[in-house]
Amino acid sequence: EVQLVESGGGLVQPGGSLRLSCAASGFTFSNYWMSWVRQAPGKGLEWVANINRDESEIYYVDSVKGRFTISRDNAKNSLYLQMNSLRAEDTAVYYCARDGHALDYWGQGTLVTVSS
Amino acid sequence: ETVLTQSPGTLSLSPGERATLSCRASQSVSSSYLTWYQQKPGQAPRLLIHGASSRATGIPDRFSGSGSGTDFTLTISRLEPEDFAVYYCQQYGNSQWTFGQGTKVEIK
Repeated sequence: EVQLVESGGGLVQPGGSLRLSCAASGFTFSNYWMSWVRQAPGKGLEWVANINRDESEIYYVDSVKGRFTISRDNAKNSLYLQMNSLRAEDTAVYYCARDGHALDYWGQGTLVTVSS
Repeated sequence: ETVLTQSPGTLSLSPGERATLSCRASQSVSSSYLTWYQQKPGQAPRLLIHGASSRATGIPDRFSGSGSGTDFTLTISRLEPEDFAVYYCQQYGNSQWTFGQGTKVEIK
């Protein structure tokens, strides 16, 4: 059974940093692209970033470029999102998802709240 | 950037009725990367349709997708109580995924 479990969310002040993790199981993690998607409270879905199997291709939505870094550790079956210079508008539930021709499996999400 | 516009914003229907949801793209998108998701309150999105018309594993056949180019449709042939939720379309282009704003299907 494919499972994705996010962790690392919490309350952080504006300008602060946070690192999210996503632990994958039930599939060969190293064979798949992976994505982060976020959802602000009461709002729709926004794709944030994705990464290919060996980290040679990485893409971001414009609003997080230069502030967020996606990475992975295939030996640990884990995906990461390093978030720096956080803003109030980054407040959201962050989901990791397996990325193929669609985002076919999603984690349950982790809440990031940016507030003073 | 390709913008996806979903309509209507809210669809009020009764169980057993047919639901037709629209997703219009600002420019032509690849059908291979046109996707539909269902999201219920407090839950992660669930993949329904990929490649514009292929049902994901375990999705009932009352859900169907169609369309090409700039106009895509998700149809639920007969609404079941568990189908009342928010539905999002999504496309991949220029190395980015983009989502529509969602259509809420609510009980009338």
